[in-house]
Amino acid sequence: NAGVMQNPRHLVRRRGQEARLRCSPMKGHSHVYWYRQLPEEGLKFMVYLQKENIIDESGMPKERFSAEFPKEGPSILRIQQVVRGDSAAYFCASSPPGQGIDTQYFGPGTRLTVL
Amino acid sequence: SQKIEQNSEALNIQEGKTATLTCNYTNYSPAYLQWYRQDPGRGPVFLLLIRENEKEKRKERLKVTFDTTLKQSLFHITASQPADSATYLCALGPETGGYQKVTFGTGTKLQVIP
Repeated sequence: NAGVMQNPRHLVRRRGQEARLRCSPMKGHSHVYWYRQLPEEGLKFMVYLQKENIIDESGMPKERFSAEFPKEGPSILRIQQVVRGDSAAYFCASSPPGQGIDTQYFGPGTRLTVL
Repeated sequence: SQKIEQNSEALNIQEGKTATLTCNYTNYSPAYLQWYRQDPGRGPVFLLLIRENEKEKRKERLKVTFDTTLKQSLFHITASQPADSATYLCALGPETGGYQKVTFGTGTKLQVIP
């Protein structure tokens, strides 16, 4: 059973370009979370999605950032018109469906560098 | 809003000793608490979960305690090894009956010296 997959692992963009980060959850998992991490800092929650629904986007900036988790295919975190401050590691995590304990399985992350 | 505190300074410990990491929280009553390990350049890996009605949980050389009165969890690694060097993250689960989401602390960096 493959773990959470993220691609690309490294992404370089110039200011003003768009960044698209992909996350394929573990098989059977229907919950996806996106986090951002700056060097030497903790994980900052961005958004929590279930299939075709955004459950909680309280940690995601209102401007330029969007996320989706379609019925088919990976979850996408999209950053439009990137700025240098968007440079960070972006982690995706997934968890299985159902209520109760939420153990999250993390992907290897995408390191975004904005030039 | 809830606040999670972990030792922001790195913890250096001699190989073979027991490492103890602390996680304190305020304004919250989580139904459970988790500990994760994160190595540089990698995503966090789940280690242990302890529920609000449990005092202690063990897994091999790891032990977690959970004091809901003090609002504190302690994470112990006995007979520590250089391979245990990593950042350890505490994560609070939702309050009982609350919506399913965990909140992570900033982590404590552990360095085990040979």
